Amino acid sequence: KNEVEQSPQNLTAQEGEFITINCSYSVGISALHWLQQHPGGGIVSLFMLSSGKKKHGRLIATINIQEKHSSLHITASHPRDSAVYICAVRPGNTPLVFGKGTRLSVIA
Amino acid sequence: NAGVTQTPKFQVLKTGQSMTLQCAQDMNHEYMSWYRQDPGMGLRLIHYSVGAGITDQGEVPNGYNVSRSTTEDFPLRLLSAAPSQTSVYFCASSYGGRQPQHFGDGTRLSIL
Repeated sequence: KNEVEQSPQNLTAQEGEFITINCSYSVGISALHWLQQHPGGGIVSLFMLSSGKKKHGRLIATINIQEKHSSLHITASHPRDSAVYICAVRPGNTPLVFGKGTRLSVIA
Repeated sequence: NAGVTQTPKFQVLKTGQSMTLQCAQDMNHEYMSWYRQDPGMGLRLIHYSVGAGITDQGEVPNGYNVSRSTTEDFPLRLLSAAPSQTSVYFCASSYGGRQPQHFGDGTRLSIL
């Protein structure tokens, strides 16, 4: 069974700090997703990766397939980045398996 | 486009009652899923569908039924509600199983 582990579970940062959230998984995958869940509860997809690196604004996602590890970076963090960040992986053609999430609080 | 629409947003039921959570999408997505989210746990898949007329079980299907008679709609039925089904339920859709998913706003369900 594929396990998805995220670290840290909780993270508090000062505005402007560089933030890294990590995701490790245990079996081969066809894709990895990063999602954001805001305090109001809505979930949005940020990235879908199968290799390399993707960037969108201040968000950067990387994946190392050999090491079964992905990172989500936020540059110049802002209070509006406060949310739960969720990693999910797709083992082959099977449905997504989700991590428990990392709760980020950015303080002004 | 409205995206993925879930109704109701909140519901309180008594143990043993039945109800249907509605999910509709207007993006012509083939792939639809139902998840539940509980404190301290990741999203867990209840049921999913890869197209009209096709459904399959996820990780936690017991106590729930689904059907997919149209591409747009994917209702989730609780047959006889139990307190263990108190949770936040999310519906999601995508073009295919390998594409990013679009989530509804969730339904917060309490079973007394």
